[in-house]
Order: sequence, then C-alpha cells, then structure tokens
Amino acid sequence: AQSVTQPDIHITVSEGASLELRCNYSYGATPYLFWYVQSPGQGLQLLLKYFSGDTLVQGIKGFEAEFKRSQSSFNLRKPSVHWSDAAEYFCAVYANAGKSTFGDGTTLTVKP
Amino acid sequence: DADVTQTPRNRITKTGKRIMLECSQTKGHDRMYWYRQDPGLGLRLIYYSFDVKDINKGEISDGYSVSRQAQAKFSLSLESAIPNQTALYFCATSDAGAYDYTFGSGTRLTVV
Repeated sequence: AQSVTQPDIHITVSEGASLELRCNYSYGATPYLFWYVQSPGQGLQLLLKYFSGDTLVQGIKGFEAEFKRSQSSFNLRKPSVHWSDAAEYFCAVYANAGKSTFGDGTTLTVKP
Repeated sequence: DADVTQTPRNRITKTGKRIMLECSQTKGHDRMYWYRQDPGLGLRLIYYSFDVKDINKGEISDGYSVSRQAQAKFSLSLESAIPNQTALYFCATSDAGAYDYTFGSGTRLTVV
C-alpha cells in the first residue's frame, strides 16, 4: 500500500528566507504526486502536481517541487517566503483505485 | 459560489445523536470523497464514490455512512455520534482523468 511521510511536523522560517518542505513516498509504480496548502479555516488548495516528464514542477504562489525517484522524494521549495505563506502543507500520492493518500502535514510559521 | 460547498460549517452535537454533513459541487466531477482531519494525523479517507451507483469504504468507515443523492451531492452521516468523531471533515471532488482534488472548506464537528 502506498504511504507518504512528511518528516517535519513544524518548520519556522524568517520572512524572505528560502523554504524546503520534505516529502517521502512509498509506492510500487510511478506515482502521481501533489502538494496542497491549507490556510487557517480553509480547505486544501492544490499547489502543484507531478505526473511525468520534467522532474522539476512549478506551481502557484511561487512554489516548486522536485521529484527524485532514487530518493522517493518530492520536496517542496520556495526561494523567498512571505508572511502569507504561513499555513499547513500536505504532500499526497495518488495510487490505484482513484484515491489519494496524504501525509500528516507540515505546519509552516513565518517570522517577521 | 464555491465549487464545493459543505454544510454546516460548524456543528456541535451530543453523543448518540444522528447527524448528517452535506456536500454539493458545481465542478461536474464524477468522483467525490469524504475525509476526516485530526491534528497530527493528516487526512484519512472515510468513503468515496465514483458515480451515483458506486460507493466505497475508505480506511476509517466504521461509524459512518454515506449517500450519493446525485452526481453533485454526497452526504456523510454519523448514525450515533461519539466524542472521538470530533474532527474537521472535508468533502473533495476529482475528475476521472485529473487525479487532483478540489476541496470544500470543511465542517468542524464537535461531539459532546
């Protein structure tokens, strides 16, 4: 069965600093991978997705993620964090039978 | 109007009561899902439906039931609510060929 691990429960970065959120997945075949963001009191919003092709994918709000098959990772990055990026971030893998499995989430705090 | 609408947004109910959470969508997607979010546990799948006649149990379906009244409507029922069903509930939809989800804003349920 597929699984997703987000090793960091909570990350704090200063505004303007770079960000990397880690995601490791376990899945036997080529995965479809996603990052979602959940702002306080809101539902989850898709940031970006990887299906195939170029392993570096661009998303909304200046985020990007890199798929590394050899490391079973799909880490999310942003060069310069803004205060409005404070939220909870979820990595997900789409497996068979039409449903996704989510990681436990990483909460991002942005210091002024 | 939101693409995926959940009602109510917040609900407090007593142990043993029956409660229904409703979800409607304007995306035209065939696939609909109910997830539960608990702090530190990510999102866990309760039920999912690929069309009106197709209902499937997720990983934590015990104590829950669902009804797919139409392509656009998917409701979740707690037959006899218990305190450990206190959580944030999300409805999501997806297109059969797209794999990513569109989420509602969630229903915060408290069972006392």
